[in-house]
Amino acid sequence: IAGITQAPTSQILAAGRRMTLRCTQDMRHNAMYWYRQDLGLGLRLIHYSNTAGTTGKGEVPDGYSVSRANTDDFPLTLASAVPSQTSVYFCASIPNPGTVNEQFFGPGTRLTVL
Amino acid sequence: GQNIDQPTEMTATEGAIVQINCTYQTSGFNGLFWYQQHAGEAPTFLSYNVLDGLEEKGRFSSFLSRSKGYSYLLLKELQMKDSASYLCAVLDSNYQLIWGAGTKLIIKP
Repeated sequence: IAGITQAPTSQILAAGRRMTLRCTQDMRHNAMYWYRQDLGLGLRLIHYSNTAGTTGKGEVPDGYSVSRANTDDFPLTLASAVPSQTSVYFCASIPNPGTVNEQFFGPGTRLTVL
Repeated sequence: GQNIDQPTEMTATEGAIVQINCTYQTSGFNGLFWYQQHAGEAPTFLSYNVLDGLEEKGRFSSFLSRSKGYSYLLLKELQMKDSASYLCAVLDSNYQLIWGAGTKLIIKP
């Protein structure tokens, strides 16, 4: 693989269910991000990780959790999904935090919560 | 608060020129990015400005005025494949990207 992969591509989920969105990068980037994108709104940061073993909260963290056990993987978990979490989710990365770099994005996961 | 404004939608004709504006108010400034996003796809990097002035890259140019909190993306010789959303994003004092809602550009033949 080259770049960032996300899985699944799309998912329909019943409210109350637990769901983990997967994100893997092979660029050895230290900083990774999870965004949600909703119609009429900009990309909003959910959680981020500046390096393996650390995570931080973004603008809209409630209802989501993340972990960063290693450099490559940055899964996003919805503990108990609600319809307002219906969105397109993008994972992104840059080589190092606190620097000026373009963000590289995964292809996205389209999630529908019913 | 932090705010980035750009028009929701614009329409232009194939072969023409279009300018997409972006105004911002953010906590600090470490540069401004423009990304292109085709429908159903991920954003891809177009340009980065941190100093005032115009940066040209082929058919695309990006301008920045830090004193006015203003940027624009200029697309020349429009092609049908330029139909996409264009996202303006500012890198704030914490090196976090603050995103505008995007401008959907519709190209008509």
